[in-house]
Amino acid sequence: AQSVTQPDIHITVSEGASLELRCNYSYGATPYLFWYVQSPGQGLQLLLKYFSGDTLVQGIKGFEAEFKRSQSSFNLRKPSVHWSDAAEYFCAVADSWGKFQFGAGTQVVVTP
Amino acid sequence: GAVVSQHPSWVICKSGTSVKIECRSLDFQATTMFWYRQFPKQSLMLMATSNEGSKATYEQGVEKDKFLINHASLTLSTLTVTSAHPEDSSFYICSARRTSGLDTQYFGPGTRLTVL
Repeated sequence: AQSVTQPDIHITVSEGASLELRCNYSYGATPYLFWYVQSPGQGLQLLLKYFSGDTLVQGIKGFEAEFKRSQSSFNLRKPSVHWSDAAEYFCAVADSWGKFQFGAGTQVVVTP
Repeated sequence: GAVVSQHPSWVICKSGTSVKIECRSLDFQATTMFWYRQFPKQSLMLMATSNEGSKATYEQGVEKDKFLINHASLTLSTLTVTSAHPEDSSFYICSARRTSGLDTQYFGPGTRLTVL
């Protein structure tokens, strides 16, 4: 069975500082990996995804993620956060049928 | 880009009543739609998978008689919460998948259900 672990429930970062959100997955086959962002009371916005190929994936809003098979990780990074990046971030793995398994989420707080 | 809508975006109902939530793919055909629920400050949990023209497949622990799913057309799936109770209060999100391709799946904006 597939599973996703986001070790950090809550992260506080200063505006302008770098951000890294951790994600570890468990999946028997080649994983399809995603990062979504959710603002309070809103739906999900896709930041980026990895299916195959280059293990460093560029997404929207200046985010990137690196797939490391040896570590079963797909960590999300941003070099310099903006106040608008404060939100809940979800890592997810999907199977070939399109069923998603989401991590517990990481709440990002951005301080001035 | 592809758009998935949900209606209503927010609903309050009395305990014991039924509530219907619609999920529509606005500019593409979706043979498969998924329904998720999200409790406050928690992650999304898959409830069921619906395929157009066939019965929905429910995840373990989800009561199919309580959460009725109908996928009558390639652009519409409905989730009906029957005899709703306060513990059914949650954020319900659907996603729609195009006819093929995992990378062509889109999430709706969600529906906030509050049962009094």
